[in-house]
Amino acid sequence: NAGVTQTPKFQVLKTGQSMTLQCAQDMNHNSMYWYRQDPGMGLRLIYYSASEGTTDKGEVPNGYNVSRLNKREFSLRLESAAPSQTSVYFCASSEAASGRSGGYTFGSGTRLTVV
Amino acid sequence: SQQGEEDPQALSIQEGENATMNCSYKTSINNLQWYRQNSGRGLVHLILIRSNEREKHSGRLRVTLDTSKKSSSLLITASRAADTASYFCATASGSARQLTFGSGTQLTVLP
Repeated sequence: NAGVTQTPKFQVLKTGQSMTLQCAQDMNHNSMYWYRQDPGMGLRLIYYSASEGTTDKGEVPNGYNVSRLNKREFSLRLESAAPSQTSVYFCASSEAASGRSGGYTFGSGTRLTVV
Repeated sequence: SQQGEEDPQALSIQEGENATMNCSYKTSINNLQWYRQNSGRGLVHLILIRSNEREKHSGRLRVTLDTSKKSSSLLITASRAADTASYFCATASGSARQLTFGSGTQLTVLP
């Protein structure tokens, strides 16, 4: 099984450009999440989808939008990229909300640089 | 804001020694989880302990939870160079449907 697949792995954007980060899981998980990881700050939640058809804001949602396309796919969109959005982005999924039955499965990340 | 805070921020030990990392949190939790992250990779789930449990084991890992002190510890016994990674605690609180992660402990195991 592939688990959680994120594309692309690396991306360089110019300020003001837009892009969509893709995430897909093949474990039939109900919940999916987008986190960003910055040095010394751990992971911060951007958006999550507790179940298909629902999305909710996390700790740092400004500048981002999400789409839960179907049960497998959860995309993150940057409409107008800013240097402050330079970060490593992780998608994760879990069978039950908050990973209470078995934890989260993470993708390998997207390293985004905005210049 | 971070719910869990790991201590120490960095830890360096010799192969074969035990490594202990601590996590403190602020509000009541349903469960607490530990994850490992190797450099340049995604996080990997290690172990989950529920609020009504006090200790849990998985291979060379031992996790304790003290809800009265709002703290948890992760012990890795007989460490190996391959254990070199960052370790994060994560908490699920109340009706929250997502985890909140701490800032991590960087463990280096010297051969």
